[in-house]
This record gives sequence, C-alpha cells and structure tokens, in this order.
Amino acid sequence: DADVTQTPRNRITKTGKRIMLECSQTKGHDRMYWYRQDPGLGLRLIYYSFDVKDINKGEISDGYSVSRQAQAKFSLSLESAIPNQTALYFCATQDWRNEKLFFGSGTQLSVL
Amino acid sequence: AQTVTQSQPEMSVQEAETVTLSCTYDTSESDYYLFWYKQPPSRQMILVIRQEAYKQQNATENRFSVNFQKAAKSFSLKISDSQLGDAAMYFCAYRRLHYGGSQGNLIFGKGTKLSVKP
Repeated sequence: DADVTQTPRNRITKTGKRIMLECSQTKGHDRMYWYRQDPGLGLRLIYYSFDVKDINKGEISDGYSVSRQAQAKFSLSLESAIPNQTALYFCATQDWRNEKLFFGSGTQLSVL
Repeated sequence: AQTVTQSQPEMSVQEAETVTLSCTYDTSESDYYLFWYKQPPSRQMILVIRQEAYKQQNATENRFSVNFQKAAKSFSLKISDSQLGDAAMYFCAYRRLHYGGSQGNLIFGKGTKLSVKP
C-alpha cells in the first residue's frame, strides 16, 4: 500500500461546484503539504501544516481551504471551482529528520 | 525571497550517454538543503538525490551525481549511462532554513523535461 494516498486520482467537475481532495498518510509525519502543478510553472505551494493545530497559507491559497483532521489526514477543498483551477494536485508529507518529501500519486482535476 | 531556476525546459540524451541538468538558486542563507526530484509519466514524484549545503562533498546515488557549487549557487544533476527509464520531468528544489511565510520551506524550480533516445 502507498504511504501517501490521494483520492480521487482523477476528477472532472463543473464551474461553481464545491470539491474536496483527500490525502491520508501512514508515514507518521507531522508535516503535510498541498501543491499544485501546472505545465511550465512547476509545483506551487497551496497550503501546508506542521501539525494538527498548525495551518499555513502558501503562495497560491486564494480559492482553496484545507482541513487537518488528524495527523494522518489533510484535505484540500475548492469552495467554488473555476476553470483555471484545472491542474494536477499533489499531497506530500515530510520527514523532519532529513527533509525528504514523500508524494502521493496526484489528483488530476479538470474544471469545465 | 529565494528562487530556484532551471534554465533548460527540455533536454535530450542518447541512451548510455551522460547528461547534465542545470539548476541555480538565489539565497542569502548559509545552511540549507537541495534536492532533485524525478517525475516520470506515471506522475509520481520520486526523490533522486539530496545535498546538505554544509557538506563540500558532492552527493551521489548510483548513476546520479550532483555538482554542488555553493559560491556560484549552482546545483547540477549528472545522469551517467542514461537509460530509457530516466525519461521524466526533473525538478530542482531548495529547502530554506527558516520556516513560515507563503513559501513554506521548500521552493521548486519549474522543471526540465528529459527525453532519452534509444
């Protein structure tokens, strides 16, 4: 089983819909991240959390919200999806001892 | 704010040959980490190699090695004996010393797409 699991793997939705992307991990890491990947732009940080009570906005947090339900779960929500939120979304955890990131398999989101 | 620049959007290499991917970064910090991540068509992000700034010795992982030039703020990745499975997007990343703020603690470059010709 994957250490970092994202669901769904692919999602198509319509403009204005609320959508939630889920991430769960079995690595026991406190640090979790949500990134967005667009062609030619690389990975950009949406939100990050260093523990259950710590939530921080990244550089592109507008239009997104997150919930850290437990150490193992970190969800990303789009309150009202718009077409320019079409992208590949990654959840990641980080091992504080060596700074290594462990990524989920990504969720490809298309907003029509 | 720190930045990471990968100046080669695309690269190509012949199978069994050697290729070098470039990465430069801008920082005023003296202690930090640098990484190369690989993203094959399966889209899974995989850590290739990691370098601590305080270590002068260049990191190596099998066919992958880096040329870390701290004064020049350069961190290139060399892939020796290239294989078809090396075809992927490669991302350079910088881990800043201080946490917090909108950049979090990791900054990625925009990536280099590597093609391997048989």
